Amino acid sequence: QQQVKQSPQSLIVQKGGISIINCAYENTAFDYFPWYQQFPGKGPALLIAIRPDVSEKKEGRFTISFNKSAKQFSLHIMDSQPGDSATYFCAAKASNYQLIWGAGTKLIIKP
Amino acid sequence: DSGVTQTPKHLITATGQRVTLRCSPRSGDLSVYWYQQSLDQGLQFLIQYYNGEERAKGNILERFSAQQFPDLHSELNLSSLELGDSALYFCASSVGFSGGGNTQYFGPGTRLTVL
Repeated sequence: QQQVKQSPQSLIVQKGGISIINCAYENTAFDYFPWYQQFPGKGPALLIAIRPDVSEKKEGRFTISFNKSAKQFSLHIMDSQPGDSATYFCAAKASNYQLIWGAGTKLIIKP
Repeated sequence: DSGVTQTPKHLITATGQRVTLRCSPRSGDLSVYWYQQSLDQGLQFLIQYYNGEERAKGNILERFSAQQFPDLHSELNLSSLELGDSALYFCASSVGFSGGGNTQYFGPGTRLTVL
């Protein structure tokens, strides 16, 4: 119930394509869903986040789509660029205020 | 730059030894979190402190301990080190203890190598 399942584990996308990473959860008490981006050798950094009262949030080329009934949320990266190559983590805030992390997706954008 | 500092950046030690990792949170942040990240692995939450008090525990081994000092910096102590403890150790900080709604800001990490 406290898990966040993230897929795929790795993803290769051509430059200019759309990258899509999916996460699913079981606990309906989760109420905040951030995505973090981590470059090699660096700490993760918040990329974009959403609350369950909205179905979509867009910031530049990055969009979170949220499906409350399906208990799923996804990150879409439009016009993917080589500089987007990184590991992406989804997370969810539990009722005890802890972040439950997905396992991460290693994204490679091929030029 | 997240504003979170961690020292040392790299640490190489032998099995059975003890090391201390240090973290200074962003100015004004009261919460400190410790994470372990093994090679190509996800983030394993270890422990959280809020304003000097332990707030939450994750998958932290008994050989590991942490504390947060009055000036809010934190130390993670790893003892009786094993080869499998080799990993990147991240510290993160946030304003409050909620963790969510309050962004976690990560430091650059300490890379620990146990030989």
